[in-house]
Amino acid sequence: SQKIEQNSEALNIQEGKTATLTCNYTNYSPAYLQWYRQDPGRGPVFLLLIRENEKEKRKERLKVTFDTTLKQSLFHITASQPADSATYLCALDDRDDKIIFGKGTRLHILP
Amino acid sequence: EADIYQTPRYLVIGTGKKITLECSQTMGHDKMYWYQQDPGMELHLIHYSYGVNSTEKGDLSSESTVSRIRTEHFPLTLESARPSHTSQYLCASSDRTLNYGYTFGSGTRLTVV
Repeated sequence: SQKIEQNSEALNIQEGKTATLTCNYTNYSPAYLQWYRQDPGRGPVFLLLIRENEKEKRKERLKVTFDTTLKQSLFHITASQPADSATYLCALDDRDDKIIFGKGTRLHILP
Repeated sequence: EADIYQTPRYLVIGTGKKITLECSQTMGHDKMYWYQQDPGMELHLIHYSYGVNSTEKGDLSSESTVSRIRTEHFPLTLESARPSHTSQYLCASSDRTLNYGYTFGSGTRLTVV
């Protein structure tokens, strides 16, 4: 069956360090993968989209990689700040023009 | 500033009542979606629309219905609310390119008592 897996446990990172979040998927062949940020009680906010023919994408302190052979995406936040604390969702298309979301990883940046 | 609006933000309602959750977007997006999310859990797609007069059911079975009479408006209706409908309902929209992902509303937190 199709599955998206993200770090199941919360991730605690010291302020100023790089946070790395993992998204693994099985039984999908997505054309693109997206990352979102979600704060408690709010809707997700789109951060980055990376296509299957792209290895890496950057936006300010964010970097996303996409390895279609490993079926994995890594999401990095460099120089992390307490304001980066949130849940980060991985999402990919199911080739049927719909987006499937992972459960998310809770990230805590410790001051 | 949000370009997609959901009302009400919070709703507590009795069992058996009919409710409509409103969703409007000002971006001219063709595609709109309704997701259901329980605390700490993933988003589940319950309805989507690719344009006016187009509606489809999502992957999660839902007793709700939707309509898309105008591009900007995508309301969700529960004919008879039950406690099992208690959840957060999130509306989203996207353009055809998906270069900017989905834009989500702030959600409606529904509690059926």
